[in-house]
Amino acid sequence: QKEVEQDPGPLSVPEGAIVSLNCTYSNSAFQYFMWYRQYSRKGPELLMYTYSSGNKEDGRFTAQVDKSSKYISLFIRDSQPSDSATYLCAMTNYGGATNKLIFGTGTLLAVQP
Amino acid sequence: NAGVTQTPKFQVLKTGQSMTLQCAQDMNHNSMYWYRQDPGMGLRLIYYSASEGTTDKGEVPNGYNVSRLNKREFSLRLESAAPSQTSVYFCASSEALFLQPREYSNQPQHFGDGTRLSIL
Repeated sequence: QKEVEQDPGPLSVPEGAIVSLNCTYSNSAFQYFMWYRQYSRKGPELLMYTYSSGNKEDGRFTAQVDKSSKYISLFIRDSQPSDSATYLCAMTNYGGATNKLIFGTGTLLAVQP
Repeated sequence: NAGVTQTPKFQVLKTGQSMTLQCAQDMNHNSMYWYRQDPGMGLRLIYYSASEGTTDKGEVPNGYNVSRLNKREFSLRLESAAPSQTSVYFCASSEALFLQPREYSNQPQHFGDGTRLSIL
């Protein structure tokens, strides 16, 4: 069993829809949770970061962490064609934070105009 | 500001050939990383360098060697390429390896655009 599971998609939605992307994980020691966005033929870029449980909002993006269920989510409101990309969840599992990240496999999102 | 630069962008090798992937960052970061990205497997850490002069194995180090040439540059070498090493390779850098929670949002890993490597 992988430490981090993520549905690969593809997920296709119309412009303006609310998108929900999710990851589950098995290691209860994970404390730092990130979402990266990766455009085609580009490297990943950090989109959202959350420490421990709770919600974090940044513009149209909201990240949620439910440590009791070992489940994290990224919500995109009013989705735009420019949001079309692969979304990778990542997390780290050390007592202190380190940059040694465990990544999900990524979900491919297509927002149709 | 170039960020993280990887060369080459594409390469085709024959089984048994060797090659070195180059990575350079201009952000004065201390830590650097090499990942491979494969369909259905996600990003997996090959090697990392916490600071200049140190390197450590990641999740999938077999068949690879690395050199932290200086603070800016971190190279990945395939001594005898195998078809199983066909992948997209990403280099990344960050301010530090160890972080406090309040620091992370300002000190994420910055990725290059990858080297697409095919081994026949």
